[in-house]
Amino acid sequence: DTAVSQTPKYLVTQMGNDKSIKCEQNLGHDTMYWYKQDSKKFLKIMFSYNNKELIINETVPNRFSPKSPDKAHLNLHINSLELGDSAVYFCASRGDGYNSPLHFGNGTRLTVT
Amino acid sequence: QKEVEQNSGPLSVPEGAIASLNCTYSDRGSQSFFWYRQYSGKSPELIMFIYSNGDKEDGRFTAQLNKASQYVSLLIRDSQPSDSATYLCAVNWREYGNKLVFGAGTILRVKS
Repeated sequence: DTAVSQTPKYLVTQMGNDKSIKCEQNLGHDTMYWYKQDSKKFLKIMFSYNNKELIINETVPNRFSPKSPDKAHLNLHINSLELGDSAVYFCASRGDGYNSPLHFGNGTRLTVT
Repeated sequence: QKEVEQNSGPLSVPEGAIASLNCTYSDRGSQSFFWYRQYSGKSPELIMFIYSNGDKEDGRFTAQLNKASQYVSLLIRDSQPSDSATYLCAVNWREYGNKLVFGAGTILRVKS
């Protein structure tokens, strides 16, 4: 059983297109995240949702819009894709408490040409 | 100072040696600290976490935390070639809704 699953694994698209990445977790966690990992491997938080409510919204272009239909799902929609959006996007979930670790999905490698 | 700082490496150690990975952080009411390992093309996987000053051991891994110095480290004993990966330090920021902030990672290479 995959704990945190995201689709698609690879996404190749052209500049200006709109794309979505889906994420689902079966761990029963209330909090889910989107992280972006750039070519230098730096993992940067983008958004966090707790039980469908937006908790963390980092300085991210408003072309990026997360949506959480329920606490087990967190999707990421990206409008008007740019070359700089090319990266690996990781979904993660986390249980309650500051000692709870993040559980990552396998990542979506987005390539914008 | 960056929020979470790590030496990017690569850190090269011979097989069987102790690898020492270091991380410094800005104090923002941080409470807990995590070490993740990431193999190339894979997602980060948790090695261990620590929240009290001192040492915490788990198998070949020991995490060390010194909150006064804002320093956390990971020791890997009897390093194996399979330990070759990027090691990510993460700090939990309490005042930002328990946000987990990562360092840039240290590349470890264990040579057989």
